[in-house]
Amino acid sequence: GESVGLHLPTLSVQEGDNSIINCAYSNSASDYFIWYKQESGKGPQFIIDIRSNMDKRQGQRVTVLLNKTVKHLSLQIAATQPGDSAVYFCAANFGNEKLTFGTGTRLTIIP
Amino acid sequence: SQTIHQWPATLVQPVGSPLSLECTVEGTSNPNLYWYRQAAGRGLQLLFYSVGIGQISSEVPQNLSASRPQDRQFILSSKKLLLSDSGFYLCAWTRDRGRQPQHFGDGTRLSIL
Repeated sequence: GESVGLHLPTLSVQEGDNSIINCAYSNSASDYFIWYKQESGKGPQFIIDIRSNMDKRQGQRVTVLLNKTVKHLSLQIAATQPGDSAVYFCAANFGNEKLTFGTGTRLTIIP
Repeated sequence: SQTIHQWPATLVQPVGSPLSLECTVEGTSNPNLYWYRQAAGRGLQLLFYSVGIGQISSEVPQNLSASRPQDRQFILSSKKLLLSDSGFYLCAWTRDRGRQPQHFGDGTRLSIL
């Protein structure tokens, strides 16, 4: 079946350092990928997305890298701040209407 | 701009009682709508999605049902809640075309006693 998995359930990073969160997907037909941030007690918040015709996309302090050969996705957060503490999910499309979500990586920022 | 509302934010219900959670979207028309459940420390499990009024697709067999009586309204229901129905329920919407991100409400924390 379809699956999306994150490599590490938890990640601790020193404030000011860069964070890298990794994700793997199984469906070769997936052509759209999204990263979400979820803070405690809230719904997931859209961060950045990327289509399969790209291998890199940048936003404000975030970069998503896509390696279709090995079906790997990563989210890089530059100069990590305390407000970046949250659970991060990757998602891949499954057909035209649905997404499959990973299990999440909890990012903790060390002051 | 578009917004999505879910209510209530928290709910405590006894086993065997009925359930109705409501989700509405503003600022867009003909959205795709989704209900997810999130267990503690876990990812999101898709329960239902809808591409139009009265059109509901169920992803997993369960004790819940969904309805879409209006274009921007999505309701999650149960006639008799089970202990296993406890969880964090999230509604999401997306535009009805192309590759678009889903946007989530702030969820309902449901506890069954």
